[in-house]
Amino acid sequence: DAGVTQSPTHLIKTRGQQVTLRCSPKSGHDTVSWYQQALGQGPQFIFQYYEEEERQRGNFPDRFSGHQFPNYSSELNVNALLLGDSALYLCASSSVSGGSSLYNEQFFGPGTRLTVL
Amino acid sequence: AQSVTQLDSQVPVFEEAPVELRCNYSSSVSVYLFWYVQYPNQGLQLLLKYLSGSTLVESINGFEAEFNKSQTSFHLRKPSVHISDTAEYFCAVSEIDFNKFYFGSGTKLNVKP
Repeated sequence: DAGVTQSPTHLIKTRGQQVTLRCSPKSGHDTVSWYQQALGQGPQFIFQYYEEEERQRGNFPDRFSGHQFPNYSSELNVNALLLGDSALYLCASSSVSGGSSLYNEQFFGPGTRLTVL
Repeated sequence: AQSVTQLDSQVPVFEEAPVELRCNYSSSVSVYLFWYVQYPNQGLQLLLKYLSGSTLVESINGFEAEFNKSQTSFHLRKPSVHISDTAEYFCAVSEIDFNKFYFGSGTKLNVKP
């Protein structure tokens, strides 16, 4: 089991550009959450996808958007990049057991380090 | 809304000494509580979690944390640390109905020989 994988590992962009980050969940998982971890801070929840729909969203502007594919993999898109978007972007996957509200452990990927110049 | 406070940004400690990493949270609903560890250039790894039942939870590598509802705390402790415990530790809470995590700002544990 490869666990949660993310690509690319590192990325350098300039202000105003757009970026797409990718995540493949752990085998058997159907829910993907994205987090932004700025330097020296804890991860901040961006949004969560389940059944190809955005299920929840944190306090992030519309420049941050996402998508989930039928195979449960996910993309995070950020438009009009700002210097402040430089961070480690973490993807986490979990499994919703038939819509149960019981806790389902999240497994985190190694992250994508985005640098905006 | 939920929030998590880790009062200590850095904790230096000598090897084999005890350590406590503090975590306090605020929430208007019932929550689950977690500690994650992050080694350099790696993702987050779950260290231990409190979901329900016994308020004292343990990890396989000797860490333990106690849920104190009245003080809204979930402090992490280890009676004797090793060099290999050097890492950043994050406390997190999750609303029971959703897997939406709120993380603290992290505590860097630096174990010295």
